[in-house]
Amino acid sequence: AQTVTQSQPEMSVQEAETVTLSCTYDTSESDYYLFWYKQPPSRQMILVIRQEAYKQQNATENRFSVNFQKAAKSFSLKISDSQLGDAAMYFCAPDNDMRFGAGTRLTVKP
Amino acid sequence: EAGVAQSPRYKIIEKRQSVAFWCNPISGHATLYWYQQILGQGPKLLIQFQNNGVVDDSQLPKDRFSAERLKGVDSTLKIQPAKLEDSAVYLCASSLGAQGEAFFGQGTRLTVV
Repeated sequence: AQTVTQSQPEMSVQEAETVTLSCTYDTSESDYYLFWYKQPPSRQMILVIRQEAYKQQNATENRFSVNFQKAAKSFSLKISDSQLGDAAMYFCAPDNDMRFGAGTRLTVKP
Repeated sequence: EAGVAQSPRYKIIEKRQSVAFWCNPISGHATLYWYQQILGQGPKLLIQFQNNGVVDDSQLPKDRFSAERLKGVDSTLKIQPAKLEDSAVYLCASSLGAQGEAFFGQGTRLTVV
């Protein structure tokens, strides 16, 4: 089984500022996908961004981008221009069988 | 497009009783996942189906939990008998394939008293 570590149980950011959530993982796979999911208080999990491991270019989706370091097995999420609606639990799932990290609770201060 | 449907939304049972959860994935999605999410923790994968076959059930407590996906569409997850520590939200998700984006249902919140 692959292990996933999200070392920041909680993070806080000021509205309009930038925050980075970290994720490291362990895998023996050479080709895989990596996902960041957001879970608002309503609990329905939604995809934020996806990265394909064989692609060197980091994925970007509007205000969300990743810093993917394959050799270091690191997959961090950067949220720019943070908004109140970004407040949620964030989970990374860097393998093909969708096993999640423990999550980071993001608070956005107005 | 209809999303992943789960029922019931909430369930309260006494310990040692049995309970079943139902999931209807997005039409055409071959992969279906069941997760257990205890308050304050990340979702724990219980079982993964590819069509009606089990891909991974290594974290499913098979002495009390069972799951099936008849005809490769709907799925049910059963707990018998329930324990207090089974109190959690049970999430169902589906994806087109094993490497695709997973779409989640709203979950079933189970309270065992």
